[in-house]
Amino acid sequence: DTGVSQNPRHKITKRGQNVTFRCDPISEHNRLYWYRQTLGQGPEFLTYFQNEAQLEKSRLLSDRFSAERPKGSFSTLEIQRTEQGDSAMYLCASNMIPRESKGAIYFGEGSWLTVV
Amino acid sequence: AQKITQTQPGMFVQEKEAVTLDCTYDTSDPSYGLFWYKQPSSGEMIFLIYQGSYDQQNATEGRYSLNFQKARKSANLVISASQLGDSAMYFCAMREVPISGNTPLVFGKGTRLSVIA
Repeated sequence: DTGVSQNPRHKITKRGQNVTFRCDPISEHNRLYWYRQTLGQGPEFLTYFQNEAQLEKSRLLSDRFSAERPKGSFSTLEIQRTEQGDSAMYLCASNMIPRESKGAIYFGEGSWLTVV
Repeated sequence: AQKITQTQPGMFVQEKEAVTLDCTYDTSDPSYGLFWYKQPSSGEMIFLIYQGSYDQQNATEGRYSLNFQKARKSANLVISASQLGDSAMYFCAMREVPISGNTPLVFGKGTRLSVIA
């Protein structure tokens, strides 16, 4: 059983460019989560999906951010017109509700974004 | 208001010794779950241990145990017999379970543990 896979692992982009991250969750997991983590902080929740439906979005998810999970499997997180403040690690996680009775979520290795 | 507080930015422990990482939380929900994750330098967050608010006993998973003191709203992680591979960031997290449904995990700022040979 492979874990959560994210790519690219690292991305350096110029301010104003668009970037897209992809997440492949653990197979059969119906919930998929996106978090953002900056240096010295814990992960901050951005949004999550149950199957293809986006159920919740944090106020951190500005209009420049969009996430999709079109077929209920992999997900993409796009950031438009990147700003230096977007530099962070973007973490994807998944779990299977209701099988995951504890509510633990299982993370990928993250995608590092540096905006220059 | 911060829901998870980890007051120790960094901790050192001698190899083979035990170490306690502190976590306090804030919630008015009677039903919630508490989690600890480990984040090595590679970046992946690894789930370690879970404690439910209604669990009668403290959770244990191998060398990890959770010292749950509900009245004090604390959920400290105890790592016994520390190993060099335990050097990492450790995050405490909470999930409230309101009637309306699950809520996302909320994380603290973490504690960096360094194990010394």
